[in-house]
Amino acid sequence: DAGVIQSPRHEVTEMGQEVTLRCKPISGHNSLFWYRQTMMRGLELLIYFNNNVPIDDSGMPEDRFSAKMPNASFSTLKIQPSEPRDSAVYFCASSFGQAGTQYFGPGTRLLVL
Amino acid sequence: AQKITQTQPGMFVQEKEAVTLDCTYDTSDPSYGLFWYKQPSSGEMIFLIYQGSYDQQNATEGRYSLNFQKARKSANLVISASQLGDSAMYFCAMRDIGGGADGLTFGKGTHLIIQP
Repeated sequence: DAGVIQSPRHEVTEMGQEVTLRCKPISGHNSLFWYRQTMMRGLELLIYFNNNVPIDDSGMPEDRFSAKMPNASFSTLKIQPSEPRDSAVYFCASSFGQAGTQYFGPGTRLLVL
Repeated sequence: AQKITQTQPGMFVQEKEAVTLDCTYDTSDPSYGLFWYKQPSSGEMIFLIYQGSYDQQNATEGRYSLNFQKARKSANLVISASQLGDSAMYFCAMRDIGGGADGLTFGKGTHLIIQP
């Protein structure tokens, strides 16, 4: 079975550009999570969805970040405009049920110049 | 608020020895889950083992076991018969399971290096 799929795997962009990260959760999973990993802050939750509905976006750093989940098999995380401090690895994870184990995608390594 | 503390930034262990990675947690939620993930140098996050707060027995998954001491709020990961491929970052994490879906709170991780 396919795991969580993320694209692109690597993204290099210039400051001010729009960045869109994509995620396809494991089929049948009804919860989806976006995390960011940096050396300074470690792994931190940005936002999560339950049954395609955003539940908690308190971890989103600022209004430049937005996330959508138009259907059960697709989610996007958008940064507009991007800044160098957004450089990080962005992980998407999915789970089934409130106590379900979260399975992570391979991550998107973002570098903003 | 939940908090995870991993006090060992790095560990060196001889191959074939057992390894214990420390994890303590703090939460006011009565129902919670504890997780361990492995992150090798390639960067992916690999789920290893799960322990529920109401589970009576310590969780085991192959060479991995979780030493769960609820009163001490500790959830140490034990790796038996370590292998070179166990070299990686290891993260302890927790989430509330009493309500709806919830995100994970991670510790800062332990960098484990297995030496031949």
